[in-house]
Amino acid sequence: GDSVTQTEGQVALSEEDFLTIHCNYSASGYPALFWYVQYPGEGPQFLFRASRDKEKGSSRGFEATYNKEATSFHLQKASVQESDSAVYYCALSAGNNNNRIFFGDGTQLVVKP
Amino acid sequence: GGIITQTPKFLIGQEGQKLTLKCQQNFNHDTMYWYRQDSGKGLRLIYYSITENDLQKGDLSEGYDASREKKSSFSLTVTSAQKNEMAVFLCASSIQQNTLYFGAGTRLSVL
Repeated sequence: GDSVTQTEGQVALSEEDFLTIHCNYSASGYPALFWYVQYPGEGPQFLFRASRDKEKGSSRGFEATYNKEATSFHLQKASVQESDSAVYYCALSAGNNNNRIFFGDGTQLVVKP
Repeated sequence: GGIITQTPKFLIGQEGQKLTLKCQQNFNHDTMYWYRQDSGKGLRLIYYSITENDLQKGDLSEGYDASREKKSSFSLTVTSAQKNEMAVFLCASSIQQNTLYFGAGTRLSVL
């Protein structure tokens, strides 16, 4: 079945560090891929999406590139801030059943000042 | 812009009790979702609905019922609350490109 794997449960960084959160997927067909961010006490918020191979999605300094060969969509940011501390979710929408969205387990990012 | 309103924000129930969670959206979106969020386990789909009066089961539908009587509202019922259960229930709606817009959640605790 369709699934998303985020390998890091938690990432701890200092301000201005480079961030990578890994996301790999398994899906039949050609899924759309998403990143969401969730702050404490709130629901997840859409960050950005990508729909085709080599497409780059970006928002608020975060970016990820759709890699069909590696089945990956890794989130990166060049210089994190304390305000980026949150939980980040990778998600996919499978092409054969567009209304179902599958989420990874989430990665808690903690940025120390 | 639109908003998704979930009520109540906090829900405390007793073991075996039937509990209902409500969700309203004013985006005029066709599709609505209920997800359950447990610590360290991501978001798991309970039910979704692609239009008024439609219901589709997700991976976690056992123990839950849902109802979509109007396009703008989607309710979820826990048919029999489990002792010590603690989770956040998130409602969302989406446009055709599947970008989800979430409410702030209902936090459930069962005594």
